[in-house]
Amino acid sequence: EIVLTQSPATLSLSPGERATLSCRASQSLSSYLAWYQQKPGQAPRLLIYDASNRATGIPARFSGSGSGTDFTLTISSLEPEDFAVYYCQQRSNWPPTFGQGTKLEIK
Amino acid sequence: EVQLVESGGGLVKPGGSLRLSCEASGFTLSSYRMNWVRQAPGKGLEWVSCISDSSYIYYADSVKGRFTISRDIAKNSLYLQMNSLRDEDTAVYYCARDLMVRGVLINTFDYWGQGTLVTVSS
Repeated sequence: EIVLTQSPATLSLSPGERATLSCRASQSLSSYLAWYQQKPGQAPRLLIYDASNRATGIPARFSGSGSGTDFTLTISSLEPEDFAVYYCQQRSNWPPTFGQGTKLEIK
Repeated sequence: EVQLVESGGGLVKPGGSLRLSCEASGFTLSSYRMNWVRQAPGKGLEWVSCISDSSYIYYADSVKGRFTISRDIAKNSLYLQMNSLRDEDTAVYYCARDLMVRGVLINTFDYWGQGTLVTVSS
């Protein structure tokens, strides 16, 4: 089973700042990595699939990059509604697995 | 509009059983791989089970032999029968649809229900 390690565990930033979240895999994923956003009491929301493709309706301030074992989710300029927990998920190997999450909080 | 609505959660004693349902609308459930994903209180996400458009079925090792996934095409619904429940099965259970990209289902989850809470406790 592939292990995904997200860092940092918590990221404290202010609206308007740039956020950079990391996801590292225990083995190569090629580009088969997705990112989700989850707000309290809500289901996860798909942001990015296959490392760099924005899902339908996702604003352009969200971008994904990386391949192999190292991936990054970047939010170019934080909006108040972006403060949430973010998870990465791999589909390279069975079963699909998730990272432990990064909490993006308001500084 | 695509919607997934789960039901059937509740409080159950260890060793007990529960059946979760997920009613789909806005799309034909049998044309997609459908998944159950759970989240223990305050914890991360764990994939539990899926049933493919071709009816292939898979389970996480943690639930294999205890949980059974199924679907009813006529009702456009997905189910999860959970037997021999343990404390560690306590979680919010989400049904989630696989994303289709250029006609291929890709083990990435584009639509999720609101979740149903299962609490296993004596």
